[in-house]
Amino acid sequence: KAGVTQTPRYLIKTRGQQVTLSCSPISGHRSVSWYQQTPGQGLQFLFEYFSETQRNKGNFPGRFSGRQFSNSRSEMNVSTLELGDSALYLCASSSEGATNEKLFFGSGTQLSVL
Amino acid sequence: AQTVTQSQPEMSVQEAETVTLSCTYDTSESNYYLFWYKQPPSRQMILVIRQEAYKQQNATENRFSVNFQKAAKSFSLKISDSQLGDTAMYFCAFNNNAGNMLTFGGGTRLMVKP
Repeated sequence: KAGVTQTPRYLIKTRGQQVTLSCSPISGHRSVSWYQQTPGQGLQFLFEYFSETQRNKGNFPGRFSGRQFSNSRSEMNVSTLELGDSALYLCASSSEGATNEKLFFGSGTQLSVL
Repeated sequence: AQTVTQSQPEMSVQEAETVTLSCTYDTSESNYYLFWYKQPPSRQMILVIRQEAYKQQNATENRFSVNFQKAAKSFSLKISDSQLGDTAMYFCAFNNNAGNMLTFGGGTRLMVKP
């Protein structure tokens, strides 16, 4: 089985632009969650989608949004980019989104905002 | 809000020796789950071990074991017979029955020396 695939691996944008990141979960997994990783704030939960519905949301401004498609693939969008949005964005999937489930992570998208 | 604290930013250990990484957490919940994830230079997070709070028995996975002290809200990871491949960032994480919404600690960078 293929693992969690995130594209692109690296991205450079300028302030004010918007960006869309993609995540393909492991085949058969219905839950996809997103995390932001920065040196200063560490790993922070963004949101989780299960069967195309947002189930949980972290404390991020409305500029951060996401969606999940019927094939469980997910995208996250950041509008009006700020310098502080520079981070590694990690996507994780699990089968049923149960609390004790093992999460399978992708290798992340490294976003640099100039 | 739950918080997770890892008080050791960096640690090192000689190959084949044993090392213990510390983690404390704060919650008012009675049932929850605790995890240790490893992040090697490839950036892909990998689950090392997990513990359910209502289980008193400490979890073990091969060379990895935990010391779970529920009253003290402590969840340390012991790595026995350390190997060079154990070199990575280690993150302690908490989930209180909220889907796949994990709260992570700040991480401990572990270096295994030959």
